Amino acid sequence: GQSLEQPSEVTAVEGAIVQMNCTYQTSGFYGLSWYQQHDGGAPTFLSYNALDGLEETGRFSSFLSRSDSYGYLLLQELQMKDSASYFCAVPNAGNNRKLIWGLGTSLAVNP
Amino acid sequence: DTEVTQTPKHLVMGMTNKKSLKCEQHMGHRAMYWYKQKAKKPPELMFVYSYEKLSINESVPSRFSPECPNSSLLNLHLHALQPEDSALYLCASSQEDRANTEAFFGQGTRLTVV
Repeated sequence: GQSLEQPSEVTAVEGAIVQMNCTYQTSGFYGLSWYQQHDGGAPTFLSYNALDGLEETGRFSSFLSRSDSYGYLLLQELQMKDSASYFCAVPNAGNNRKLIWGLGTSLAVNP
Repeated sequence: DTEVTQTPKHLVMGMTNKKSLKCEQHMGHRAMYWYKQKAKKPPELMFVYSYEKLSINESVPSRFSPECPNSSLLNLHLHALQPEDSALYLCASSQEDRANTEAFFGQGTRLTVV
């Protein structure tokens, strides 16, 4: 089967850097995606990594190590508005049309 | 226009009612999705439409009936729902029906079944 593990909660302060980890188990791998969801809001796509390494988009970076079945999302210069849930997800190995989602990490940014 | 629009935003319905949720996108995306999301949980896939044809039904009960009238519209018809069906229903679309492509989500319909 396929599964993803994420820490359930992370707390940080404004201006800090936070790393949210995701480990996955899958028989076939097509890449790791990250989505952000504010309370009451829609999930928003953040990034997708198919190859090893770090991808940077502004304050957000996403890292993938396929040999370790591990990735993380790095947020720099944290702002209060970054308080949200962050989900990692991988395409289903047997059917590339659906995503398998982690349970999400709830990030709380404090002043 | 990078929006997926869902109506209504909120819906309260009785267990004997029939209602429909609507979703619209004008990005030319060929895949459209219905998800169900409970509080503090990730979205659960219900249905996938690819090129206006149903390509995935995740063993969803028949009281949920999807419809794709054209490439921009997606409906979810609801009938004889149960209180446990209360949830946030999200519509999404993507350029292709591959899960590693960016999906754009609507704001959802918060459904309460009484």
